[in-house]
Amino acid sequence: QQQVKQSPQSLIVQKGGISIINCAYENTAFDYFPWYQQFPGKGPALLIAIRPDVSEKKEGRFTISFNKSAKQFSLHIMDSQPGDSATYFCAAGYNFNKFYFGSGTKLNVKP
Amino acid sequence: DAGVTQSPTHLIKTRGQHVTLRCSPISGHKSVSWYQQVLGQGPQFIFQYYEKEERGRGNFPDRFSARQFPNYSSELNVNALLLGDSALYLCASSLQTLRTGPGANVLTFGAGSRLTVL
Repeated sequence: QQQVKQSPQSLIVQKGGISIINCAYENTAFDYFPWYQQFPGKGPALLIAIRPDVSEKKEGRFTISFNKSAKQFSLHIMDSQPGDSATYFCAAGYNFNKFYFGSGTKLNVKP
Repeated sequence: DAGVTQSPTHLIKTRGQHVTLRCSPISGHKSVSWYQQVLGQGPQFIFQYYEKEERGRGNFPDRFSARQFPNYSSELNVNALLLGDSALYLCASSLQTLRTGPGANVLTFGAGSRLTVL
């Protein structure tokens, strides 16, 4: 059973637009929800993360919205830039770093 | 300050062979985790070690094994390689302490070891 489901698989956004990536999880025991950004040939890098006791977290142009009752969370990238073009993964975890990752969203921001 | 370093970066093996992948965590990090990332998919948890003890194991066959050394570096071993083992193997370290709550630790990933099994 897939613990974390991510959509869309790919996303094309114009420069300056808003990119939105959605994730849903199954296990209510998860207590940490990070988003990772991965460029080709590199390992994933932490972008932003949220705990379930908070409904929203903002860091610069990146915002996580969290809906505990719906078991859903999303990443919003405001004023998207071509340099944001990468693959984004949501994840959920508990108990010493055993994280479950979504299948990834390949974002292409067109100039 | 050096990040998580992994070696080798690329390697090619044939079916039935075994492979050893190595990881050096960030200085001061005592926890190392291994993930498998098949092309086009998200990373899948294989193992987590803290203070040289296995703290978690994912849904992988016994052909996969790992260990952590006194200097906190780690090795991932895969025996009897199958074509399906072809993937990017990622190592991540974190400043895990038993006194911090779950979810309090940030995973820092290395660039990975790209394994191709022919």
